[in-house]
Amino acid sequence: SAVISQKPSRDICQRGTSLTIQCQVDSQVTMMFWYRQQPGQSLTLIATANQGSEATYESGFVIDKFPISRPNLTFSTLTVSNMSPEDSSIYLCSVTRRDRGPGNYGYTFGSGTRLTVV
Amino acid sequence: AQTVTQSQPEMSVQEAETVTLSCTYDTSENNYYLFWYKQPPSRQMILVIRQEAYKQQNATENRFSVNFQKAAKSFSLKISDSQLGDTAMYFCAFMKHAPPGTYKYIFGTGTRLKVLA
Repeated sequence: SAVISQKPSRDICQRGTSLTIQCQVDSQVTMMFWYRQQPGQSLTLIATANQGSEATYESGFVIDKFPISRPNLTFSTLTVSNMSPEDSSIYLCSVTRRDRGPGNYGYTFGSGTRLTVV
Repeated sequence: AQTVTQSQPEMSVQEAETVTLSCTYDTSENNYYLFWYKQPPSRQMILVIRQEAYKQQNATENRFSVNFQKAAKSFSLKISDSQLGDTAMYFCAFMKHAPPGTYKYIFGTGTRLKVLA
């Protein structure tokens, strides 16, 4: 399975600022996903990032708040913009490949970015 | 819409004992996949086991096995011979069978498992 390097692993940010999280994969993958895990909560999908097209956002998430880049098949960034304390969460990226069925192996996840907004 | 419910927020088990984590789900789909993920304090999401809905046989991976009851929409995880390293948050997840590019997980709220020495 793919190996994902996600950084930063954690950050403390001032409200009103923005943070960009990077996700680097050691092999080409078709689909990359960004999740948010609020304190004590489960994972919620923010958006799906496909190379060469606009990211697809889930209900409740908008591009202005969470712009995503996907410049190639091994890299993606998620920016958390104009942050407020409510954005304090763990953000995780995950990947899968188009040529594999979802039941074959599931997704691979990055180790997450713990964001605290003060 | 699909939902996944884990009714046990926290559980504990003695080392070397067996523990079962519960998961129920709701869907009108016939073809889908179910997963258990483990998230230790390192935050890394680790796939523990997966089950295809069309398979009658329960999946098994070493000390981990599932009891999949399709009619009851139940998907419990049994951990045998529990080890201290099994201490983690466990998430049950559902994914419907869909065209490539549309795979999405629905995660349960998680069960925090603590293995006691």
